[in-house]
Amino acid sequence: GPKVLQIPSHQIIDMGQMVTLNCDPVSNHLYFYWYKQILGQQMEFLVNFYNGKVMEKSKLFKDQFSVERPDGSYFTLKIQPTALEDSAVYFCASSFLNYEQYFGPGTRLTVL
Amino acid sequence: GDSVTQTEGPVTVSESESLIINCTYSATSIAYPNLFWYVRYPGEGLQLLLKVITAGQKGSSRGFEATYNKETTSFHLQKASVQESDSAVYYCALGDGATGGNNKLTFGQGTVLSVIP
Repeated sequence: GPKVLQIPSHQIIDMGQMVTLNCDPVSNHLYFYWYKQILGQQMEFLVNFYNGKVMEKSKLFKDQFSVERPDGSYFTLKIQPTALEDSAVYFCASSFLNYEQYFGPGTRLTVL
Repeated sequence: GDSVTQTEGPVTVSESESLIINCTYSATSIAYPNLFWYVRYPGEGLQLLLKVITAGQKGSSRGFEATYNKETTSFHLQKASVQESDSAVYYCALGDGATGGNNKLTFGQGTVLSVIP
């Protein structure tokens, strides 16, 4: 079936640095999402994105977070600066218009 | 707020036995809830197992089935006879049908299922 890819699979970074998580969505999909899962907790919605704009964001989507998809390439989540509480697995998803979101395998972010 | 609660894992079942993983939801801000079961097999990404967007309907896939019960706000996952290959983590999720494609999902905590041969 359709695949969503995420790069890198694991990122270790010092607190205060900037990090960019990359997502390669399914090619004809129009909606893009990021979810966050802290170890031992539920996966939680961060943001969704359509037509170059953020449609909705949760309270977890802090001011230090930003998303973009320049020129139809990777859909990225940037955190600047990072904090210890940003350590989690971040999942990207994409969908067309049929409610089904396709998920990537996740990027494990460790902030030291 | 909206929430999903599912069977606390891990769940261990012998092959060919029946399985039920409970899921209940609370959709306080959603007029038209859509319900989903996702599964993550070892080493793989999350994938959709089944979905139901209309209350009272049943979804089925790979021998699994779940009925969207609006009265009991439940969406339990069942299988009559599990196989070792069903060992995975199962997630119940709630979406907002009124928002069309930008359907943010609220997930349960996941249930780890181990099937013993």
